Amino acid sequence: DAGVIQSPRHEVTEMGQEVTLRCKPISGHNSLFWYRQTMMRGLELLIYFNNNVPIDDSGMPEDRFSAKMPNASFSTLKIQPSEPRDSAVYFCASNGGVFNIQYFGAGTRLSVL
Amino acid sequence: SQQGEEDPQALSIQEGENATMNCSYKTSINNLQWYRQNSGRGLVHLILIRSNEREKHSGRLRVTLDTSKKSSSLLITASRAADTASYFCATAPYGNNRLAFGKGNQVVVIP
Repeated sequence: DAGVIQSPRHEVTEMGQEVTLRCKPISGHNSLFWYRQTMMRGLELLIYFNNNVPIDDSGMPEDRFSAKMPNASFSTLKIQPSEPRDSAVYFCASNGGVFNIQYFGAGTRLSVL
Repeated sequence: SQQGEEDPQALSIQEGENATMNCSYKTSINNLQWYRQNSGRGLVHLILIRSNEREKHSGRLRVTLDTSKKSSSLLITASRAADTASYFCATAPYGNNRLAFGKGNQVVVIP
């Protein structure tokens, strides 16, 4: 398996633009997690899905953030409109259910100018 | 809510030395895990210790867990330059499959 795949790896955009981050979890994993990592705040859980259903979105910072998982092999995290303070590395991780071990993608480094 | 919290000190050691980092947490856990993050990469699972275990080894890694003190330690023996990374502990509660990550502990191994 190729592991968790995220795209794009880097995104540079201007304030006010819409940003869409994509994630393909490991095949067969039934849980998917979106995290944001910054120097100031560390690793923050934004939202997670079990069997494509959002379970906990309490970490989503504002209504500008939304996430979907239309099927077991794809998820998106959208920011609309983006702001400079959204600049961070966004990680997707999936979990196959055994001991809650999570497998992380390489991340998307987002810069909002 | 429970959260793994590592000792915040950054660690700088010479190659060949041992590196030890600690983690504390607040509530009951099912297991505790350690992850490594190399610069610019995602987190990678290293080792897991269950709540009924006290010590576990994997290669040059040794993890201990003291549930009475709600603390864990990760020991890396005979460190190598490639061990330079940030190390995170994460606690897994009973009843759901999310993890609570600590803030990470940066380790620099000098060749």
